[in-house]
Amino acid sequence: AQSVTQLGSHVSVSEGALVLLRCNYSSSVPPYLFWYVQYPNQGLQLLLKYTSAATLVKGINGFEAEFKKSETSFHLTKPSAHMSDAAEYFCAVSSGRDDKIIFGKGTRLHILP
Amino acid sequence: EAGVAQSPRYKIIEKRQSVAFWCNPISGHATLYWYQQILGQGPKLLIQFQNNGVVDDSQLPKDRFSAERLKGVDSTLKIQPAKLEDSAVYLCASSLEREQYFGPGTRLTVT
Repeated sequence: AQSVTQLGSHVSVSEGALVLLRCNYSSSVPPYLFWYVQYPNQGLQLLLKYTSAATLVKGINGFEAEFKKSETSFHLTKPSAHMSDAAEYFCAVSSGRDDKIIFGKGTRLHILP
Repeated sequence: EAGVAQSPRYKIIEKRQSVAFWCNPISGHATLYWYQQILGQGPKLLIQFQNNGVVDDSQLPKDRFSAERLKGVDSTLKIQPAKLEDSAVYLCASSLEREQYFGPGTRLTVT
């Protein structure tokens, strides 16, 4: 069985500060890992994905995530937060055998001026 | 490239009424998903289609929810009768090579 745990349902950072959203996964097989972003009243948009290639994955809008097998983590970071980054972020895991994705509960990112 | 289309965007109904949602996936995407996203939670898979066949409907409350994908393209999700706890956003997604693309969702409010 696969699952993801996102630490912190709400995270607040100041504009220009480092963004760090935490995600830990559980998987019995080598996982595919994803981060999605959801803006209000919109669907989910893929930020980045890990598919067993490079452990440091770069995504859109300046976000990146690092796969750490020893820590079963896939934390999302961005060096400098922008007001437009305020949204809900979802970490997700897939077995890679099929297209099925299991989502975490989400972390709402607030950007303080 | 056109994205996943869903309609309606918003729907308000009374409990015990029926409702239907429509989804048009990205052209060429064989796999289609319906998710339920309750406020404050991540999306939960309701049903997965591969072309017009059901791959997984283990999380679909079959006593009130039904879904079909005729001709392997468009899909409809129906709830009959609706309950208060069905209030949620219903997301449709289609996939190609293990990357899912989401539509904007339908926000259902059951009163």
